[in-house]
Amino acid sequence: GDSVTQMEGPVTLSEEAFLTINCTYTATGYPSLFWYVQYPGEGLQLLLKATKADDKGSNKGFEATYRKETTSFHLEKGSVQVSDSAVYFCALTGGGFKTIFGAGTRLFVKA
Amino acid sequence: DTAVSQTPKYLVTQMGNDKSIKCEQNLGHDTMYWYKQDSKKFLKIMFSYNNKELIINETVPNRFSPKSPDKAHLNLHINSLELGDSAVYFCASSQDAGGFTDTQYFGPGTRLTVL
Repeated sequence: GDSVTQMEGPVTLSEEAFLTINCTYTATGYPSLFWYVQYPGEGLQLLLKATKADDKGSNKGFEATYRKETTSFHLEKGSVQVSDSAVYFCALTGGGFKTIFGAGTRLFVKA
Repeated sequence: DTAVSQTPKYLVTQMGNDKSIKCEQNLGHDTMYWYKQDSKKFLKIMFSYNNKELIINETVPNRFSPKSPDKAHLNLHINSLELGDSAVYFCASSQDAGGFTDTQYFGPGTRLTVL
């Protein structure tokens, strides 16, 4: 079945550092790929998405490119802020109406 | 004007009790979901309804019963609560079912603690 694997956390960075959170997936067909973010005490919210190969999703300085050849959707940000501290979830939606979430990666950003 | 709301936010109860969690969305979406998030933040789909019809029913104990009185509401009833049911339960909604590109909108979560 479909699956999502993302790097284990926590990831701890200093403010203004470069961020990469790796995400790879296994799916039949051509899924859509998502990054969701969960701030402390809140529900998940969409950060960005890409619906076909080579698409780049971007929002709030975060970017991720749908790479079909490597089945990856890595999240990057050039300069993180303390306010980016949260849990980040990679997810895919393929057939069967289901969205599959990765295990989440917790990010801590120090001032 | 909250898009997806859940009540209660916190629920503390004894083993063996029966409890319900309510969810409402005002986005006009056709599809609603229940997810369970464990203490390690792992998120797992439990149920999904599209226009009041059950379309996803994962391997969940039959002590859990979802009910959708209309497409804006999806409630979760849990019978005979067990310690392992302690988790955060999230409701979510999306525009359509089977929409590969659909974004899901999540509620704030209900933290259930079973003592």
